[in-house]
Amino acid sequence: DGGITQSPKYLFRKEGQNVTLSCEQNLNHDAMYWYRQDPGQGLRLIYYSQIVNDFQKGDIAEGYSVSREKKESFPLTVTSAQKNPTAFYLCASGHLGQGSQPQHFGDGTRLSIL
Amino acid sequence: GDSVTQMEGPVTLSEEAFLTINCTYTATGYPSLFWYVQYPGEGLQLLLKATKADDKGSNKGFEATYRKETTSFHLEKGSVQVSDSAVYFCALSDLDDYKLSFGAGTTVTVRA
Repeated sequence: DGGITQSPKYLFRKEGQNVTLSCEQNLNHDAMYWYRQDPGQGLRLIYYSQIVNDFQKGDIAEGYSVSREKKESFPLTVTSAQKNPTAFYLCASGHLGQGSQPQHFGDGTRLSIL
Repeated sequence: GDSVTQMEGPVTLSEEAFLTINCTYTATGYPSLFWYVQYPGEGLQLLLKATKADDKGSNKGFEATYRKETTSFHLEKGSVQVSDSAVYFCALSDLDDYKLSFGAGTTVTVRA
């Protein structure tokens, strides 16, 4: 079955440490997205990519970095510069040029500070 | 920029009650509108969508109508079940760069 796989499901970060969240899709979607979810705030866009080797900052990109070396993969690194990283992170993908089509979401990674 | 305002929760209902979650939006163009549902510990699933004015999206007994004149997309279900307990998000898609703007989410709890 086609879908989006995020790993790990739970992740713990120590102070000063960078951690990387994995996102893989086999839906043949061009566009991929990373969102952060905090209680009562909905989802906020961190980064998005519409094509391999290209990506754009979203609304809250500070303290995060991404890469898009393959169409299927869009890993997110939470750097030590992100001072409040505890949140639920959701990866999504969608067809480029089709804003009327929904984005598909993974099951998320919950990141906590040790 | 584009934005979505969603009724705040939490909402607690008894089984078979009527559910309405209000959603209004601000957009410069003609966005597509979506309702997503999130069950505990999971990602978001598309519940329904509407792509132009007066379209009605429906799924699993839920309905929402794209009202351009009131810039609204309210979600309704006539008779809820315990299994409908979840967080519901209203969202719109910017047709220029395909990003989604989300409302804050409404937590719905249905009691037996």
